[in-house]
Amino acid sequence: DTGVSQDPRHKITKRGQNVTFRCDPISEHNRLYWYRQTLGQGPEFLTYFQNEAQLEKSRLLSDRFSAERPKGSFSTLEIQRTEQGDSAMYLCASSFRGGYNEQFFGPGTRLTVL
Amino acid sequence: KQEVTQIPAALSVPEGENLVLNCSFTDSAIYNLQWFRQDPGKGLTSLLLIQSSQREQTSGRLNASLDKSSGRSTLYIAASQPGDSATYLCAAFGNQFYFGTGTSLTVIP
Repeated sequence: DTGVSQDPRHKITKRGQNVTFRCDPISEHNRLYWYRQTLGQGPEFLTYFQNEAQLEKSRLLSDRFSAERPKGSFSTLEIQRTEQGDSAMYLCASSFRGGYNEQFFGPGTRLTVL
Repeated sequence: KQEVTQIPAALSVPEGENLVLNCSFTDSAIYNLQWFRQDPGKGLTSLLLIQSSQREQTSGRLNASLDKSSGRSTLYIAASQPGDSATYLCAAFGNQFYFGTGTSLTVIP
């Protein structure tokens, strides 16, 4: 499978715990994006990377959220001290800068905070 | 801040009908506009991408148009099938990336 992959697919945690999600983009893609989607809404942009550089961050990305892409390949999104309002689907996408920047999405990680 | 609106929020049509989904955006300074399909509980599947310099793109039974000056895009689906039932999302991509809330389509056999 050469698409975008995300791990885990589901995560249940207790309020106050830290969680980390991983995204592996399509291998030749140099841009990687994180979004959050709640029920009945469209995805909300969180941040994106070009190679290892984090180029844009949404105001939605509070101090409890941090994203990394240390080697310009896979990326991690960490949420510290989770709150019930963090419950959502976290989506990752990748694209190739230099082409049309068409974004391809992974299956998502569904987070439930109890 | 860019605002993306999709109308209608839900649509139900009999199989075989042609249909149009609408997307409007407030900031015309976009690089491209992309249409996606999302099945329940799943990720997004890219359908069509229109660059800002283009007017339309076609793929099979799908045709998407873009009018930057009026801040509108449409997705035309010809000869709808039950397998087309899903939520359709448009996204306007500029310096940041904004999605609409989607149109939930049901095609009745």
